[in-house]
Amino acid sequence: GENVEQHPSTLSVQEGDSAVIKCTYSDSASNYFPWYKQELGKRPQLIIDIRSNVGEKKDQRIAVTLNKTAKHFSLHITETQPEDSAVYFCAASRGTGGFKTIFGAGTRLFVKA
Amino acid sequence: GAVVSQHPSRVICKSGTSVKIECRSLDFQATTMFWYRQFPKQSLMLMATSNEGSKATYEQGVEKDKFLINHASLTLSTLTVTSAHPEDSSFYICSARDRHGSYEQYFGPGTRLTVT
Repeated sequence: GENVEQHPSTLSVQEGDSAVIKCTYSDSASNYFPWYKQELGKRPQLIIDIRSNVGEKKDQRIAVTLNKTAKHFSLHITETQPEDSAVYFCAASRGTGGFKTIFGAGTRLFVKA
Repeated sequence: GAVVSQHPSRVICKSGTSVKIECRSLDFQATTMFWYRQFPKQSLMLMATSNEGSKATYEQGVEKDKFLINHASLTLSTLTVTSAHPEDSSFYICSARDRHGSYEQYFGPGTRLTVT
């Protein structure tokens, strides 16, 4: 079945450093790749997304890259701040043949002040 | 815009009873809603996809007779956990897609279910 692998499971960085989270998906029909930030007990918040017809996208300190051939996509956070500490989930969706989203296992990011 | 509400936010029930969770899209019409379950320190696991006016599509391993889903209107889907057991205790989150929108899903705030 469809699967999304996410690494690392835990990431600890110093404030101001960059953080990179990587994901791999298995369903070649996936064409939409959102990234979510989730704080404890709260709903997932969309922080950035990318469609399969684009290789990269940037929004201030956050960027996402996509390699369709390799089925890899990555989240890059620059100039990390303590408030970036949370659990981040990647996901892969296909918009045709029945919309369905598969989530990665999550990365717990700690940003040390 | 694009707000999804869930009710209740927390519920405690006794084993063997049933619990109903409501998911509403407040300012848009949602042809498709999704129900997820999230155990502590784990990811969101899709339970079922709910389409307005038709039967829900359940993921493998999710018992349709235990987790009853009804999507009676374009703004409301309900999940009923029947004959709840302690192992059903979890965080249940719904999401909805705008019928006129993009691929983005809008998540509800979640419902914390505790079965004693």
